[in-house]
Amino acid sequence: SYEMTQPPSVSVSPGQTATISCSGNLLGHKYVSWYQQRPGQSPVLVIYENNRRPSGIPARFSGSNSGDTATLTISGTQVADEADYHCQAWDGDSFFAGGTTLTVL
Amino acid sequence: QMQLRESGPELVRPSETLSLTCTVLDGSVNDGDYSWNWIRRAPGKGMEWIGYIYSGGSYKSTSSLRSRVRLSIDLAKNQISLSLHSVTADDTAVYHCARGRSYYGGNKFDPWGRGVRVTVSS
Repeated sequence: SYEMTQPPSVSVSPGQTATISCSGNLLGHKYVSWYQQRPGQSPVLVIYENNRRPSGIPARFSGSNSGDTATLTISGTQVADEADYHCQAWDGDSFFAGGTTLTVL
Repeated sequence: QMQLRESGPELVRPSETLSLTCTVLDGSVNDGDYSWNWIRRAPGKGMEWIGYIYSGGSYKSTSSLRSRVRLSIDLAKNQISLSLHSVTADDTAVYHCARGRSYYGGNKFDPWGRGVRVTVSS
């Protein structure tokens, strides 16, 4: 089993930069994906392989991963970005952290 | 654009079997490049990967659920199925199916279904 942790909540003002962390032992040695989940909707892949964006994901979403921490950065945060964000990594099996609720106000 | 749609009972009695189906629309489960996954989220908790199955029928589940999980795939119906035996209240969760793609050192899930909320209660 591989454990990762995220802060339960992050708040940001519209137009500002939001950063969401995901920590795990030697996480920087693994590839991390990030998923956005708005209430009642399907989770959506926003970052994979630490910093790659699927087609259709705005460029304001970016990712990094080094040491024990991966980070999802949302630049110029919009109200529409308000959602739960989940980091995920593979260590023989797939593992998720607890998720972070991003509030934009 | 591919869509995944989960279906099944929303209420299951303790000790019984939870059975869910995921139907793939505008795409095919018969593609060996992808796995088909079940992932759940219990109230107040994070996502938990349950297991995957490939088009050839091979599957793997997480160690904590391995003795109770069975996955299957129906190529003709373009569906995957999850059976979770001997359920308890701890199995109450929203269950999602998702297509998986593995690469060296990692994997990703895309797309996902909206999920079905399953409650285990008498």
